Amino acid sequence: AQSVTQPDIHITVSEGASLELRCNYSYGATPYLFWYVQSPGQGLQLLLKYFSGDTLVQGIKGFEAEFKRSQSSFNLRKPSVHWSDAAEYFCAGSEGANNLFFGTGTRLTVIP
Amino acid sequence: GAGVSQSPSNKVTEKGKDVELRCDPISGHTALYWYRQRLGQGLEFLIYFQGNSAPDKSGLPSDRFSAERTGESVSTLTIQRTQQEDSAVYLCASSFARRPGYTFGSGTRLTVV
Repeated sequence: AQSVTQPDIHITVSEGASLELRCNYSYGATPYLFWYVQSPGQGLQLLLKYFSGDTLVQGIKGFEAEFKRSQSSFNLRKPSVHWSDAAEYFCAGSEGANNLFFGTGTRLTVIP
Repeated sequence: GAGVSQSPSNKVTEKGKDVELRCDPISGHTALYWYRQRLGQGLEFLIYFQGNSAPDKSGLPSDRFSAERTGESVSTLTIQRTQQEDSAVYLCASSFARRPGYTFGSGTRLTVV
């Protein structure tokens, strides 16, 4: 069955530290993969997306993600976290134009 | 329009009443999705429209939920005889079909009292 898994419910990092949020997918073919961010009381904002081609994808706000077929992963990374990055992060995937499946989210806390 | 527009942004209703939520997708986006997000939880798929094809209703939690969309325009999500467990933020998203780049609206926060 199609699914996206985010194994970490909550992550805390210090401001300025590096960040990696994990995402694993289960699809028959190469899926379309997305990372969204949701700040408190806000809607979802698309950070980046992977369709095909270069497996390292650059997004907004200094985020990047790497598609690794061998590990069925699409982890989100940022070299230096800012306090404003504190939010809920959702990984999502779809097969072509079909329904988008979301992971359960990872809450990021940034400490000074 | 420039983005996905949802209305109302907030809705408080009494248990047992019917509510109607509206989504106005980005012009030209053939695909439209409804999701539900309960407090502190992830997104739960409800229904998906793609052009004039039959919608994918597999995520609707009960027959009290229904949604309509005319062509590639506005969609309405209707919840009949609302229950307290229906309280959530209802999110709508739209995209082009061939290369999905889902854009979400800001949601409707529904509170059933």
